[in-house]
Amino acid sequence: GDSVTQMEGPVTLSEEAFLTINCTYTATGYPSLFWYVQYPGEGLQLLLKATKADDKGSNKGFEATYRKETTSFHLEKGSVQVSDSAVYFCARTSGGSQGNLIFGKGTKLSVKP
Amino acid sequence: KAGVTQTPRYLIKTRGQQVTLSCSPISGHRSVSWYQQTPGQGLQFLFEYFSETQRNKGNFPGRFSGRQFSNSRSEMNVSTLELGDSALYLCASSFYPTDRGGYEQYFGPGTRLTVT
Repeated sequence: GDSVTQMEGPVTLSEEAFLTINCTYTATGYPSLFWYVQYPGEGLQLLLKATKADDKGSNKGFEATYRKETTSFHLEKGSVQVSDSAVYFCARTSGGSQGNLIFGKGTKLSVKP
Repeated sequence: KAGVTQTPRYLIKTRGQQVTLSCSPISGHRSVSWYQQTPGQGLQFLFEYFSETQRNKGNFPGRFSGRQFSNSRSEMNVSTLELGDSALYLCASSFYPTDRGGYEQYFGPGTRLTVT
């Protein structure tokens, strides 16, 4: 079935370091892809999205490009801040008869000052 | 515009009881989806409602049910609670159903259910 695979965390970085969180998805259908972020004790917030191949989603300095040839949607940020510490989830829309989001396991990011 | 609201935020129940959780979507959104989040299984889809009709259902037992009202508010019910039902239950709303692609879901803060 459809699935999303994210790099295992936790990831610990120093402030102003470069961030990459890898995400790959199963290549069934033509999914839309999303990154969500979850801060402690809160629900998920949409960070960015891409709806077709080669689309680049961006928000708050974060970027991800929909790569159909490698079935990837890696999240990047050039300079992380302490306030970026959170859990990041990659997700895709499912295909077939089920319309819902399929999430990766999440990657916990800790940014140290 | 107000976000997705969920009530109650925290709930403690005992095994065998039943529970009802409520979700109010963003104004104008007609699709509501429910997810269960646990440390072991991560985020799993429960069901999706659009215009008062259940459109999709995840792989959960029949003890989990839901409904949507004409004002798009939704409730989910879990009967005969088990210890394994302890989780964060998240509701998300979107303007269109998710299978129309590209229409992002906006999540509420969740209801933390603890079953003892």
